[in-house]
Amino acid sequence: DGGITQSPKYLFRKEGQNVTLSCEQNLNHDAMYWYRQDPGQGLRLIYYSQIVNDFQKGDIAEGYSVSREKKESFPLTVTSAQKNPTAFYLCATSPGQVLFYEQYFGPGTRLTVT
Amino acid sequence: SQQGEEDPQALSIQEGENATMNCSYKTSINNLQWYRQNSGRGLVHLILIRSNEREKHSGRLRVTLDTSKKSSSLLITASRAADTASYFCATQPSGGSYIPTFGRGTSLIVHP
Repeated sequence: DGGITQSPKYLFRKEGQNVTLSCEQNLNHDAMYWYRQDPGQGLRLIYYSQIVNDFQKGDIAEGYSVSREKKESFPLTVTSAQKNPTAFYLCATSPGQVLFYEQYFGPGTRLTVT
Repeated sequence: SQQGEEDPQALSIQEGENATMNCSYKTSINNLQWYRQNSGRGLVHLILIRSNEREKHSGRLRVTLDTSKKSSSLLITASRAADTASYFCATQPSGGSYIPTFGRGTSLIVHP
């Protein structure tokens, strides 16, 4: 898990509430990513950011929002518009473009919405 | 659809045996990466192989890439119980977004 912190490890929310997942890194990496993983599935990209104050939508951005005000932090908000938010959420970083570097993953946050 | 697809979905072997898992993909790639995920944890990078490479080794791991068949294989030799995990391939397509696409993974169980 290295220098990537995701908190909390488990998160429970009622349907209709927004919830923010934290991702902090001390690796001095430029790029940060949010993925969603459902049981028996691969990772699906939600949002990514290559530089502070800039981010792009991934494959499943609807119902999610992000910010990148600091290099070290890339929080993800799961809004009430996300139809099926219960999942395992993974934050990742890379030194630069993933074309040349591998990704480093945090330990994940398991979100349960009832 | 997901770019890389691993095969088999599940693999169960005895300690000391070799484990081979495969990844097939559909479009041209710049590189292919293999990751390991222990249950309930984040992914850990294992190996990155570029499109102009055919084979790479790292300890007990051997990765091959056949771009003509659009496939890759991960071989774990002399497996250990600690190798029990899910293994994912991630492909970085050429000519488009640099973000890699992950397959559904192979679940490996190594019995002591």
